[in-house]
Amino acid sequence: DTGVSQDPRHKITKRGQNVTFRCDPISEHNRLYWYRQTLGQGPEFLTYFQNEAQLEKSRLLSDRFSAERPKGSFSTLEIQRTEQGDSAMYLCASSLDWPARYEQYFGPGTRLTVT
Amino acid sequence: AQRVTQPEKLLSVFKGAPVELKCNYSYSGSPELFWYVQYSRQRLQLLLRHISRESIKGFTADLNKGETSFHLKKPFAQEEDSAMYYCALRDLYSGGGADGLTFGKGTHLIIQP
Repeated sequence: DTGVSQDPRHKITKRGQNVTFRCDPISEHNRLYWYRQTLGQGPEFLTYFQNEAQLEKSRLLSDRFSAERPKGSFSTLEIQRTEQGDSAMYLCASSLDWPARYEQYFGPGTRLTVT
Repeated sequence: AQRVTQPEKLLSVFKGAPVELKCNYSYSGSPELFWYVQYSRQRLQLLLRHISRESIKGFTADLNKGETSFHLKKPFAQEEDSAMYYCALRDLYSGGGADGLTFGKGTHLIIQP
């Protein structure tokens, strides 16, 4: 296991199109997180899963965003009707659960450019 | 609401000089504080967390609840310390509820030879 992986690494799309990103966490990690990072900012939390259950969603996660983790392994993040403001780096992280839970291991990110 | 402030976007020091990266936070609950680092062309990784009270790569950070600060320090900077540093916070007792990290905007540390 080489760590958290994300696919694709780069995505260029036109405004109004839908895009989907995939995250594969470290295999034994049951917590999975999505963050968004724009230029000059730190990562901003979007949502997280414990196994297949989505336990928390940030107010940043508008109705156009949906995340799933159907079998408690990989996760997808879909953005519908993309806008230029969605251009960002989308980061995925995973961690173990309590009590040894707290290092979040980050993936390399998916850079989205909306033209 | 949680907030993490890193007042310096850029910090440049000479090799061998002491380094202090500032982090202040605002949170009404019990915070857990972290420092994450991102070296050039690498992914974000945990440097240290206040609960562990460890020294990693010569860096230390002490949580000061009175001043709501968690500054990162190193007595003698090395060129390989050049990176982006992010301070982050979460609720210490979230227990599966609110578990996302709140990050500051980051400080770009440059160590000059």
